Amino acid sequence: DAKTTQPPSMDCAEGRAANLPCNHSTISGNEYVYWYRQIHSQGPQYIIHGLKNNETNEMASLIITEDRKSSTLILPHATLRDTAVYYCIVTSGSARQLTFGSGTQLTVLP
Amino acid sequence: DTAVSQTPKYLVTQMGNDKSIKCEQNLGHDTMYWYKQDSKKFLKIMFSYNNKELIINETVPNRFSPKSPDKAHLNLHINSLELGDSAVYFCASSQDLDYAYEQYFGPGTRLTVT
Repeated sequence: DAKTTQPPSMDCAEGRAANLPCNHSTISGNEYVYWYRQIHSQGPQYIIHGLKNNETNEMASLIITEDRKSSTLILPHATLRDTAVYYCIVTSGSARQLTFGSGTQLTVLP
Repeated sequence: DTAVSQTPKYLVTQMGNDKSIKCEQNLGHDTMYWYKQDSKKFLKIMFSYNNKELIINETVPNRFSPKSPDKAHLNLHINSLELGDSAVYFCASSQDLDYAYEQYFGPGTRLTVT
């Protein structure tokens, strides 16, 4: 699995977009980018994943650079309930397990 | 309806005891997992089962033994508990191994060994 680098913490004002970066410069061609989050005292929650095209679902958007060496998870209108640790995971689509790093603690401020 | 449930939510026990944590999923998934999250918040996979068959067994002491009586259940038995076993244990499930990237997690069981 490719190594990922995320900032340890970020703040965001409520109602504003939260942009969470992830660096994965050693990503290989068959590896996907997955995002999970873990709200305090809860289990992790799948958010979104992508290979090379930008993706959007009801929770977030995922922007992957053209060279695929980095990506950004966007929460378009952050709420207090989005305060959580966000994990960026890069692994092949056939992987049978997920490896969680230390993630980014996002704090949404009122 | 809770998709992935775990019991108990909290478990406090003494060193040397044997305990079990139960996990049930009502999603009709074929694959289930156990993770351990230590005090530094690192989440690490311990086991995965697919159709009741052990697929992944990471470097975990053999005091930990998963048991899958059916596809909807994956229980974790821990023998001779040690202080270092204190952690939060999460159960998860995915549709099958091809969907291992999309896992549904339970609420966790906080185990404290005194």
